[in-house]
Amino acid sequence: GDSVTQMEGPVTLSEEAFLTINCTYTATGYPSLFWYVQYPGEGLQLLLKATKADDKGSNKGFEATYRKETTSFHLEKGSVQVSDSAVYFCALRDAGNMLTFGGGTRLMVKP
Amino acid sequence: NAGVMQNPRHLVRRRGQEARLRCSPMKGHSHVYWYRQLPEEGLKFMVYLQKENIIDESGMPKERFSAEFPKEGPSILRIQQVVRGDSAAYFCASSPGDRLYGYTFGSGTRLTVV
Repeated sequence: GDSVTQMEGPVTLSEEAFLTINCTYTATGYPSLFWYVQYPGEGLQLLLKATKADDKGSNKGFEATYRKETTSFHLEKGSVQVSDSAVYFCALRDAGNMLTFGGGTRLMVKP
Repeated sequence: NAGVMQNPRHLVRRRGQEARLRCSPMKGHSHVYWYRQLPEEGLKFMVYLQKENIIDESGMPKERFSAEFPKEGPSILRIQQVVRGDSAAYFCASSPGDRLYGYTFGSGTRLTVV
């Protein structure tokens, strides 16, 4: 079955540092890939997505590229801010209409 | 266009009582999903519904939990005879039925069993 594996957190960075959160997936078909962000006390918000190989999703300075050859969708940001502190979830959606989530990675950004 | 609406936002129940959690999907979305999240943990899938049909309930506990999405009105997640271990955040999400789209999540209902 489908699965998503994310790097374990917490990831602790200083403000303006470069961020990478690794995500790899296993899927039988050609899934769409997503990153969601959850701020404390809130629900999940869609951060970005990519629907086919080599697509790059981007939003709010975050980027992720759909790499079919390495089955990866790593999240990157060039310069993080304290306000980026949250939990980030990688997910895939295959033909079965279900989103499969990774376990989440907590990011803590210190001033 | 309102997003996914969940209510109540916070719910406190005594052990043995019933909890009813409501979710109104986004306009135009016919697929509803319920997830549970324990503190400091990831999301656990519970159930996937379309109007008047349960599509996948593989994540639902076999007893005390039920879900519905009637033809009219919100989706309801019902927990009977709640126990302390049911305390969690319950999130509802909706989507159109196309893999190109992600889910839109509600803000969740935080259930506390005392």
